[in-house]
Amino acid sequence: QKEVEQNSGPLSVPEGAIASLNCTYSDRVSQSFFWYRQYSGKSPELIMSIYSNGDKEDGRFTAQLNKASQYVSLLIRDSQPSDSATYLCAVILGAGGTSYGKLTFGQGTILTVHP
Amino acid sequence: GAGVSQTPSNKVTEKGKYVELRCDPISGHTALYWYRQSLGQGPEFLIYFQGTGAADDSGLPNDRFFAVRPEGSVSTLKIQRTERGDSAVYLCASSGQGSSYNSPLHFGNGTRLTVT
Repeated sequence: QKEVEQNSGPLSVPEGAIASLNCTYSDRVSQSFFWYRQYSGKSPELIMSIYSNGDKEDGRFTAQLNKASQYVSLLIRDSQPSDSATYLCAVILGAGGTSYGKLTFGQGTILTVHP
Repeated sequence: GAGVSQTPSNKVTEKGKYVELRCDPISGHTALYWYRQSLGQGPEFLIYFQGTGAADDSGLPNDRFFAVRPEGSVSTLKIQRTERGDSAVYLCASSGQGSSYNSPLHFGNGTRLTVT
């Protein structure tokens, strides 16, 4: 089992729809979780971080964390063509993971939002 | 202010050659990371510097890979006797002092290394 695993893509949604991206992780004591967006040929860009169970909203983005199920998700409401990118889930594995940012990434999910 | 700068943006080398990849972090950032990203995969951790010292080099795949940060700012990733399997995008990231709560990683645009 991979340490951080994302739902297989690619994912295609129509403009205006909700895009749902999912991620599971293997180390149950992990505390820090991130979603990065990566446009083709560009570097990863942090869009959300979440540390506590529940939902965290930022504009059209909502991150959801369930530590009991070892599951973190990202919802994108009112999807736009400009949201088309690869979305990377990243976890700082282990309980002491707030001392520095050694991220373990999932393989990424390619999202396409079509007009 | 400038972001994380990586040079060169592209590097093509022959199998067996030596290469150096440079990273110039955001000014004042004490933490610096190197990651490697293969096609269709997420970035994979290589090494982390806090200041001048390598605090965690557990991700370096073998002893052909080495990185330095002599003055606590610019870092160089060095790869000896390159192999075709080393072909990937090498990403550098930096962050300020503090925990992940308030010091997110800022990535550079990477160096695309191709070993022929």
